[in-house]
Parts: sequence; C-alpha cells; structure tokens
Amino acid sequence: QQQVKQSPQSLIVQKGGISIINCAYENTAFDYFPWYQQFPGKGPALLIAIRPDVSEKKEGRFTISFNKSAKQFSLHIMDSQPGDSATYFCAARKGGKLIFGQGTELSVKP
Amino acid sequence: DADVTQTPRNRITKTGKRIMLECSQTKGHDRMYWYRQDPGLGLRLIYYSFDVKDINKGEISDGYSVSRQAQAKFSLSLESAIPNQTALYFCATSHGLAGETQYFGPGTRLLVL
Repeated sequence: QQQVKQSPQSLIVQKGGISIINCAYENTAFDYFPWYQQFPGKGPALLIAIRPDVSEKKEGRFTISFNKSAKQFSLHIMDSQPGDSATYFCAARKGGKLIFGQGTELSVKP
Repeated sequence: DADVTQTPRNRITKTGKRIMLECSQTKGHDRMYWYRQDPGLGLRLIYYSFDVKDINKGEISDGYSVSRQAQAKFSLSLESAIPNQTALYFCATSHGLAGETQYFGPGTRLLVL
C-alpha cells in the first residue's frame, strides 16, 4: 500500500505564482518529513525538511506546512520561477528509511 | 552529486541476462541505499545497508540482490533481467548518526528488452 500519498501528479504555475504540493501519510511512527527536488537527468536532492513537533518551516521561498492531527504536510513555493521547474518528492522516515510519495512534476511558465 | 557515482549511466540488456549496477561514494557515509524510480510511482526502496555487514530488503527486493563490498561500494544485481525491471535506478548514501539527508547519485537508466 502507498504509505505516503502525494498530489497533484503534475502542476503548471505562472511565473510569480504560488506552487502548492500536498502529501498525506498514515503511519504515526514517521519522525522526519523531507522534500526532495529532482531536475531532469539528475538524482533527487534535499530541498527542505521538517520534524513533526514543528508546524511550519521556511527557507527562502520554500515553506513546509505540517498538520500532525490531519497527518498531512505540504510544500509551498512562493514567487515561483522557471528555474523551479522540476519533479518534487515528499517523503517520510521510519527506522532510518525513507518512504517517498509518487512525485509532482512542476512546470513554471514564464 | 559527484561524491556518489553510479556506473553504468545507461544500460540496454536482454531478458534473462544478469547485470550489475555499481555505486561508489567518497562521502564517508556508512549507510547506502538502492531505489528504483518509475513514472507515477515515485522512488521505491529495493535494498539498504546500514554498515558493511548489514544488508536489508526494502519494499521491492524480489528479482534483485546486493553486495556491500566495502563501506564505499554497494552493488545491485539483477540475476535474470525481465522487461518490467526497466526503470531508473538510484543509489543514495547517508550518515547514520549525524545525518538525516540522503545524497543521491546521478542514476542508471536501464532498459530490458
């Protein structure tokens, strides 16, 4: 079964807009929630991460919002730029292993 | 990330052939992982190793085997390749005690005919 569900599968945003990607999880034993960014032809790279005792984390234009009671977390990209066009994966960690969501292909139009 | 290298970068093989994908890292990390990426399915863990003598199955280990030859080297083998093993394969590393971040290699694109 898919322990981490990610949506949408694809997203098109205009330059300057806000991109929002959502993830939901089932297992309350997860203790760390990272987001990875992947450009074509490259491996994923850590973008930003949050622990479940924090409701929000912001790094530049990227923000994670975390709702522990709803078992949901989301990535917000403010002032989206064409250079943000990539595939984004949410993940959740248990026992040192990451469970990834299905991925979201983001395209930011100029 | 140049600190994690994968060879080959691309491979075409035929059904039934045995192939090996190799991963090397210079980051000094003790933990290594193998994932496969398929469109719409994200990244799925095949095998992982928390140190040289520790090998564990991930969620999709059937049809695969691994070898941890040294702290820096972790190889993935397909004993008898089949077409549905066509995918993008990634190796990743992390530091067991201090780090949560996984660092990924550039990937190997495998096509099984």
